[in-house]
Amino acid sequence: AQKVTQAQTEISVVEKEDVTLDCVYETRDTTYYLFWYKQPPSGELVFLIRRNSFDEQNEISGRYSWNFQKSTSSFNFTITASQVVDSAVYFCALSVFSNFGNEKLTFGTGTRLTIIP
Amino acid sequence: EAQVTQNPRYLITVTGKKLTVTCSQNMNHEYMSWYRQDPGLGLRQIYYSMNVEVTDKGDVPEGYKVSRKEKRNFPLILESPSPNQTSLYFCASRTGGFQETQYFGPGTRLLVL
Repeated sequence: AQKVTQAQTEISVVEKEDVTLDCVYETRDTTYYLFWYKQPPSGELVFLIRRNSFDEQNEISGRYSWNFQKSTSSFNFTITASQVVDSAVYFCALSVFSNFGNEKLTFGTGTRLTIIP
Repeated sequence: EAQVTQNPRYLITVTGKKLTVTCSQNMNHEYMSWYRQDPGLGLRQIYYSMNVEVTDKGDVPEGYKVSRKEKRNFPLILESPSPNQTSLYFCASRTGGFQETQYFGPGTRLLVL
């Protein structure tokens, strides 16, 4: 069975500070995908990144960066120079595929990030 | 514009009154899925469909039905809604390839009184 743990339920930082959201996952599959989604107050799910299990290269996209470490089963997300618009709930998710082709997408419980002006 | 649409976006209903939440995608995706989001639980898969006329249960299928008569549509049916089905529902779709990412609809907030 798969599991995704986001131990930080809520985080508040002052604008322009850097913040890291933690994600730890569990799976026995050797092939899997990891995701981060953003859910702003309006409620929609915004896809941020997908990383497959064979690609441990870290990624940077503007103020966002992701650190994938298979050795610790972690896929952490850092926002640099945070802005008020970054305030949202962030979900980490793990995807594996069954023999029948179903994508089993397991979400963490989310981290509510509040950026204080 | 490539998108997944859901209707209605908001719904208040009463216990036992049948309802349908529609989901439609314009990307010719084979795979579609329904999730519910509840506080403290993240998103959980209700049903999924690999293609037309091919559907199967996810983690929390009790109290729900689906159908996939057309590739673009994947309605979620609550035959007799109960208050514990009050939730935020998301539909998602992707192509059949394992390398692809699921696209999520805007969500439907359902309140069952």
